[in-house]
Amino acid sequence: DTEVTQTPKHLVMGMTNKKSLKCEQHMGHRAMYWYKQKAKKPPELMFVYSYEKLSINESVPSRFSPECPNSSLLNLHLHALQPEDSALYLCASSYSIPSFTEAFFGQGTRLTVV
Amino acid sequence: GQQLNQSPQSMFIQEGEDVSMNCTSSSIFNTWLWYKQDPGEGPVLLIALYKAGELTSNGRLTAQFGITRKDSFLNISASIPSDVGIYFCAGQLDAGGTSYGKLTFGQGTILTVHP
Repeated sequence: DTEVTQTPKHLVMGMTNKKSLKCEQHMGHRAMYWYKQKAKKPPELMFVYSYEKLSINESVPSRFSPECPNSSLLNLHLHALQPEDSALYLCASSYSIPSFTEAFFGQGTRLTVV
Repeated sequence: GQQLNQSPQSMFIQEGEDVSMNCTSSSIFNTWLWYKQDPGEGPVLLIALYKAGELTSNGRLTAQFGITRKDSFLNISASIPSDVGIYFCAGQLDAGGTSYGKLTFGQGTILTVHP
């Protein structure tokens, strides 16, 4: 099973809303990632968790708040977003010991901020 | 910061033709990955390369990890219509430091295959 599952697939939210994106994997991976992707551009790294601890935050605005409640789950909490935050949000996972290996991506959540 | 130069940016080919794309970097990577992404979907891993000089095949796909560890190429033989999509290379830096675990992506190659 090389599946990373993201929910919801589509999300429309207002600028005053609070919503959460969810990601789940059962491959035993201990590294999990959030990426943001604009149309026809490469994914941009937002956060990396390794063993449920935040190891990389790419200077992401605080209106994006990640959470890793256990080794299989990764959430991204959204609050007071701007229209320019509309994008495809991708979750990925990989092994991290003894070294980070290839990352497997979910199908993404298409977020539209209105 | 690290940059990956991926070329070509786009390709328009006839079904049955072979395709080649490559990525170069100013930094040394210890892993090269090639992904394909269809519209509205997440990237799907095609090939992973871990050793300098490594040549790996996956069906009609062949990829190589450059000897200098600063480049990689992907070849697709006998293209078919379902090969249409955006292909991304991605590199992972040497272990250690604040960039450990961070993938750097190329800008992508948009492939169009005419039947």
